Amino acid sequence: AQKVTQAQTEISVVEKEDVTLDCVYETRDTTYYLFWYKQPPSGELVFLIRRNSFDEQNEISGRYSWNFQKSTSSFNFTITASQVVDSAVYFCALSERNNDMRFGAGTRLTVKP
Amino acid sequence: DAGITQSPRHKVTETGTPVTLRCHQTENHRYMYWYRQDPGHGLRLIHYSYGVKDTDKGEVSDGYSVSRSKTEDFLLTLESATSSQTSVYFCAISSGGGPHNEQFFGPGTRLTVL
Repeated sequence: AQKVTQAQTEISVVEKEDVTLDCVYETRDTTYYLFWYKQPPSGELVFLIRRNSFDEQNEISGRYSWNFQKSTSSFNFTITASQVVDSAVYFCALSERNNDMRFGAGTRLTVKP
Repeated sequence: DAGITQSPRHKVTETGTPVTLRCHQTENHRYMYWYRQDPGHGLRLIHYSYGVKDTDKGEVSDGYSVSRSKTEDFLLTLESATSSQTSVYFCAISSGGGPHNEQFFGPGTRLTVL
């Protein structure tokens, strides 16, 4: 069963545009953890953020911000003033009590100069 | 840098041959994971380990086995490789000693089964 849905397969923007990557998750657990990872063209996986289910505060880190809404089971990621270096595949992931981490299929973001 | 290395980085093999991939970590993390990455599927968990000789299955464990005889090494074995196991394999560790902390990944191994 798909537990993490990233409906946007590919997004293309022009530099300096804002872009939001959507993530919808499914769980029956009351305690769970959400993550975002970045995979640039070089192929490595880079951790961006971890959120637990009890902390719905939005987070901002530089040009990156995350909007966690339990009411809609979403954990969306926004890049403000995108740059070419933001071009990558971005993965949302969910960790529940059974120790598995389930990843979405990823969203490929292309930022054009 | 979480001190994770994978070997080999690239391998081409033939259907029916056994293959072992190695993950090595230098920081004594308890939890280690093996994932495969395929287009359209993101990363899927194959097996994980929560200590020496303690392992469990993940979402796509069929056709794979693992072993962990030392804290620092986690081996993934394909007993008889099939073309459907052509993939990029990533090893990961969980920081902070728990299974729900952020994971840090090795550089990946690209495996091609002909």
